Amino acid sequence: EAEVAQSPRYKITEKSQAVAFWCDPISGHATLYWYRQILGQGPELLVQFQDESVVDDSQLPKDRFSAERLKGVDSTLKIQPAELGDSAMYLCASSLEGGRGYGYTFGSGTRLTVV
Amino acid sequence: AQKVTQAQTEISVVEKEDVTLDCVYETRDTTYYLFWYKQPPSGELVFLIRRNSFDEQNEISGRYSWNFQKSTSSFNFTITASQVVDSAVYFCALYNQGGKLIFGQGTELSVKP
Repeated sequence: EAEVAQSPRYKITEKSQAVAFWCDPISGHATLYWYRQILGQGPELLVQFQDESVVDDSQLPKDRFSAERLKGVDSTLKIQPAELGDSAMYLCASSLEGGRGYGYTFGSGTRLTVV
Repeated sequence: AQKVTQAQTEISVVEKEDVTLDCVYETRDTTYYLFWYKQPPSGELVFLIRRNSFDEQNEISGRYSWNFQKSTSSFNFTITASQVVDSAVYFCALYNQGGKLIFGQGTELSVKP
C-alpha cells in the first residue's frame, strides 16, 4: 500500500537552532499538507500545496516557519529559529485532486522536541 | 465557522464492553465530508472512515459502526466488544471545500483487560 514518507521520525533540537523536516507524498497526489499536532490536541493545518503552489498558509508562523515544494513532489518544512513552543508532532499528508478528500493519507510524522 | 467538537476527552472501558465516541460538527457548507482517524501511541493517523454529507446511511465494518445524523450534526463512532488493541486516541474531522481537514480535540480510549 502506498505511503506518505516523512523523515526524520524524531528530532531533538536546541532552542534557536534551525530544523527541517522532509515529506514525500504518495505518487500522483497533487495536494500536500503540513499539519502540526501539539500534545493533547488535534492536528492543525500549517500549509497546503497544490502542486508547487501554496494554497493556504494562513496558520503558518511566517517569521520562523517556511515550506517549499519546488518540483511539486516532495516538500520541506523548516523552522528557524526553533522555540520551546514548537515542540509537537509534524504530520505530512497528501490527497488526490477533486476536493472530496479521496485518498487523504497521513505520514507517520516527525516528533520534534525543542530543549 | 467550521468546528468539530469531541466532548469526551478520555474514556476507559473494560475489554468486551461496547463504547461510543461522540462527534458534533458545525459547518455552513451543504457539501462536506466527515472522517474518523485512529492515532495509536506510535503517532501515525490511521484512516477509519470517510462519509459525505449526502449519505446518512449508517455503516458497519466488523466491530466498528458509525451513526451519521445531519439533523443533530453528529457523526458518532461505536466499537462493539472492545479489545485492548483498540486503545488509542480517536479523532473526528470535517473536510471543507478548500481541502482542509478540521480536527476535533480527540478522545483517548483506554481498553483494560
